[in-house]
Amino acid sequence: DVVMTQTPVSLSLAIGQPASISCKSSQSLLGTSGKTFLNWILQRPGQSPKRLIYQVSKLYSEVPDRFSGSGSETEFTLKISRVEAEDLGVYYCWQGTHFPFTFGSGTKLEIK
Amino acid sequence: EVQLVESGGGLVQPGRSLKLSCVASGFTFSNYGMNWIRQAPGKGLEWVAYISSGSSYIYYAETVKGRFTISRDNAKNTLYLQMTSLRSEDTALYYCARRSGEVDYWGQGVMVTVSS
Repeated sequence: DVVMTQTPVSLSLAIGQPASISCKSSQSLLGTSGKTFLNWILQRPGQSPKRLIYQVSKLYSEVPDRFSGSGSETEFTLKISRVEAEDLGVYYCWQGTHFPFTFGSGTKLEIK
Repeated sequence: EVQLVESGGGLVQPGRSLKLSCVASGFTFSNYGMNWIRQAPGKGLEWVAYISSGSSYIYYAETVKGRFTISRDNAKNTLYLQMTSLRSEDTALYYCARRSGEVDYWGQGVMVTVSS
């Protein structure tokens, strides 16, 4: 199975500060289709997960452009240019290239 | 508006069975692969199973293979998860989620508690 390693475990940031979360996979996530199914989701407290980014860097339409995703093969990064209060929660990277799909262990973002 | 509504959860004894349902609306259900993903209390997310749009392709996590069965009824816009030989470690919030490698919609989840 593909192991997804996410760091840091937690972040405590003030509003307006930038954030960066790393996600590394144990094997390449480049699929035979030529697509890389690396996703980022946010789970706010008490809520179901919400989509943020798919195929490494593509933002869903409702996601603010202060979010960005980058990377390739086995190393990926989620960045928030300026953290806002609504960004608190747990961020997960997960891969949908290889079955079984696997998730990172999550990064908890707290607002100072 | 895309909606995924799970049901069928509850408290069940170890070794017993339970069947979850997920009713989809707001999109053409028969065009999309679907997943079950679960989250144990206070833990991270674990993918459980996937079924393709026409049920031709089905995959399971090793932790549930042989015990759980994913299925769908496209005429009823409904996804199912038949769970047998339940164990305490199956206790979790079970989410229904749309699409294969890039889930774009999640249900609100249904709780399954396995305990004597």
